[in-house]
Amino acid sequence: QITLKESGPTLVKPTQTLTLTCTFSGFSLNTAGVAVGWIRQPPGKALEWLALLYWDDDKRYTPSLESRLTIAKDTSRGQVFLTLTNVDPVDTATYYCARKAVLIKGNWFDTWGQGLLVTVSS
Amino acid sequence: DIAMTQSPDSLAVSLGERATISCRSSQNILYTSNNRSYLAWYQQRPGQPPKLLIYWASTRESGVPARFSGSGSGAYFTLTISNLQAEDVAVYYCQQYYSTPFTFGGGTKVQIK
Repeated sequence: QITLKESGPTLVKPTQTLTLTCTFSGFSLNTAGVAVGWIRQPPGKALEWLALLYWDDDKRYTPSLESRLTIAKDTSRGQVFLTLTNVDPVDTATYYCARKAVLIKGNWFDTWGQGLLVTVSS
Repeated sequence: DIAMTQSPDSLAVSLGERATISCRSSQNILYTSNNRSYLAWYQQRPGQPPKLLIYWASTRESGVPARFSGSGSGAYFTLTISNLQAEDVAVYYCQQYYSTPFTFGGGTKVQIK
């Protein structure tokens, strides 16, 4: 069974750095074609893709946030991390991690975590 | 960036009837090398994470009921829910994975009339 779970702070102050952890099981990030991504959803709004980390350590970011985002992994512990610097209230959202389909060209997300609501407020 | 536009924003359909959702990409997301459109559809029920329904524009994910079908190619796509059930009340999103950033549509809310 494939599972992913997000963890991290639920309240962050403006200008601080947000670090989220995605702990996954049921698959390995050493397997060709596998990737884990982060997607966020402000309250009542649409989904926004943020970043993706592939099995070969290739990393992709959404251009609008690339200067503030870092994605990394600890394969041995089954974890992927997302760091967002200099947060602002507009970064308030539910943050999801999700597994990309194993197919090399298949960049859709077949399994999602439950999400973590992060509020940015002083 | 490829922009994804969904319509309508919301619709109300009677139980047992058909719901049709449109998704348009700002550029062609069909790879001619494999003749596949790089589009997925997700369902998000209230308070839940998104759930994959369809990929390659028309391939149903394992376990997804047959009343969900996807069609279209190039830049115009449709998600059809036949015989609408109460559990289909949700917001539906399309996503292109042709190129990064992998963008989502704005969502279409489906309700029961």
